[in-house]
Amino acid sequence: KAGVTQTPRYLIKTRGQQVTLSCSPISGHRSVSWYQQTPGQGLQFLFEYFSETQRNKGNFPGRFSGRQFSNSRSEMNVSTLELGDSALYLCASSLGYTGGDSPLHFGNGTRLTVT
Amino acid sequence: GNSVTQMEGPVTLSEEAFLTINCTYTATGYPSLFWYVQYPGEGLQLLLKATKADDKGSNKGFEATYRKETTSFHLEKGSVQVSDSAVYFCALTDSSYKLIFGSGTRLLVRP
Repeated sequence: KAGVTQTPRYLIKTRGQQVTLSCSPISGHRSVSWYQQTPGQGLQFLFEYFSETQRNKGNFPGRFSGRQFSNSRSEMNVSTLELGDSALYLCASSLGYTGGDSPLHFGNGTRLTVT
Repeated sequence: GNSVTQMEGPVTLSEEAFLTINCTYTATGYPSLFWYVQYPGEGLQLLLKATKADDKGSNKGFEATYRKETTSFHLEKGSVQVSDSAVYFCALTDSSYKLIFGSGTRLLVRP
């Protein structure tokens, strides 16, 4: 069974640009969550989608948005990039809601560098 | 608010030494508790979990016990290996079902 796949693996963007990251969950998983990982702030929850609906949202500005498609694949978009957005963005999928009995399965992440 | 506090790393041990990584939490209600591990260049993997007080989670020789009286979930292993070198994250799910992580503890095991 294929794991969670995130593309691209690395990305370099310039301040002010926008970026879209992609996540393909494990087959059959309906929940996709996104996390930002930085050395200073650690792992911070961005949002969770379940069956194409945003179920939960962290404390990030509106520049961060996401969506989930009918095949459970998810995309995350960051507009008007800032230097502080440089981070490892991790996607995780699970069969059911986060917090239930279904564990999260993480992808290897997308490393975004904003210059 | 809900939070997780882990001991600062790095923790450096010799192979076959005993490992303890401390984790305490603050949460309302009865959170589920988790340990995740991140190997270099990879995402996080669930190591073990416990969903109620006094539960013991265990996997790959690691174990942790959910202690409600001390709000702790310390990770232990009796004999570490070089391959255990990684970053370990303690986490909880809060009442809104978000997964909240600690800051992570880097473990370095020397041969």
